[in-house]
Order: sequence, then C-alpha cells, then structure tokens
Amino acid sequence: KAGVTQTPRYLIKTRGQQVTLSCSPISGHRSVSWYQQTPGQGLQFLFEYFSETQRNKGNFPGRFSGRQFSNSRSEMNVSTLELGDSALYLCASSFGRREQYFGPGTRLTVT
Amino acid sequence: GQQLNQSPQSMFIQEGEDVSMNCTSSSIFNTWLWYKQEPGEGPVLLIALYKAGELTSNGRLTAQFGITRKDSFLNISASIPSDVGIYFCASLPRDGNYGQNFVFGPGTRLSVLP
Repeated sequence: KAGVTQTPRYLIKTRGQQVTLSCSPISGHRSVSWYQQTPGQGLQFLFEYFSETQRNKGNFPGRFSGRQFSNSRSEMNVSTLELGDSALYLCASSFGRREQYFGPGTRLTVT
Repeated sequence: GQQLNQSPQSMFIQEGEDVSMNCTSSSIFNTWLWYKQEPGEGPVLLIALYKAGELTSNGRLTAQFGITRKDSFLNISASIPSDVGIYFCASLPRDGNYGQNFVFGPGTRLSVLP
C-alpha cells in the first residue's frame, strides 16, 4: 500500500497570503489528522476529519481550517498568514483509533 | 489535560551502545505508540502497544506498555549511526472517545557517535 502523501513538500508564502495544503491518506483509512510542528512547540494537533466531518479540533485560531472529501483526501487552509505560521505541517491517517501513519510533511515558510 | 513527558530530552551515545528512553504521564492511556523522526521528514511508526504489560520488539527495538498504564519505555540495542533522530511517544487517552485525539511527547533526541 502506498503511504500517506502530502503536497507540496515545500512552500514559501508572504505574510497576509493564504495557503492550501493537501493530504492523501493510506488507501482504506478514513480518518485524517493534521498537526503543526515547530522546534519550540513540538507536535500540535490542529484537527481531525472522519468521513468528511470534522471530528476533533485543537486549539488554533479560525484562520486554520480544513476539509475532507468523499475519497478521504483532505486539505487544510491557512488564511492571512503570519510569520509564526512557519512550520512543518504533518498529516496522519488511521484506520479506527489505533495507529496513526504520517506523511512526509509540508514545510511552510512565511516571509 | 493529558500530557506526556519524555526522558531524557537528548542523549549522545557511542555506536554499539544500548539506549533506553521512557515516556510517562499522570493519566492512564489505552495505547502507546513510538515514532522516529529524521530531519525534514514525517514521524515513522516504530512500535504500537495496546495492553498493559505488553512487550513488543521490532528488530533491535523493544518497547513495553507499563503495567500502571501511565508509562512506556523504548530500548534500542547495539545502536548504529542511522538510529540518529528524534523519538516520540504518543498515546490515546483511556476514555479514547472520538472527542479526543492522540497526545504526543516532546521527543528524545538521539545522537550516535562513531
């Protein structure tokens, strides 16, 4: 089975812009979670989607949003980018509530 | 809320040495996962544990689910240079309903000296 894929791998944006990141889960996995990883804060949970519905949400401002499509692919969007949004954004998929498998991440740099 | 603590924060060892790290919490967890992350990549799942007392191996790696359900440890035997990376523990709270997600520890950074 192919692993979790994320596109793009690298992205440079300017403050105030918006960005959309994409994640394709492992085939058969219906749950997709998103995380932000920074050196200072570690892995911070953003949200989880299951069957096109947001099932769980972390403590991030409303500028961070996501959605999931009927094929379980997911996107996350960050509007009005700030310098502090520079991070590695990780997507993880799971079947049920057991293991989560991560993608390679999207490295976002905001200048 | 639930938090996971990992120790040590970082370690420098000689190639060939054994490594031991652990993950603790004040809360009870149902599942323990151990991941390894290399620079610029996503975490890779190493071992998953589901029962208190469970001991599981994956090659040179061995992990155990503590009997109190509040801790887990990971051992690496005969370390090699490619073991370098950050090791994360993750867990799902005991009541693990759909309102809760996995919790991650801050990681243990492992450096292996040749």
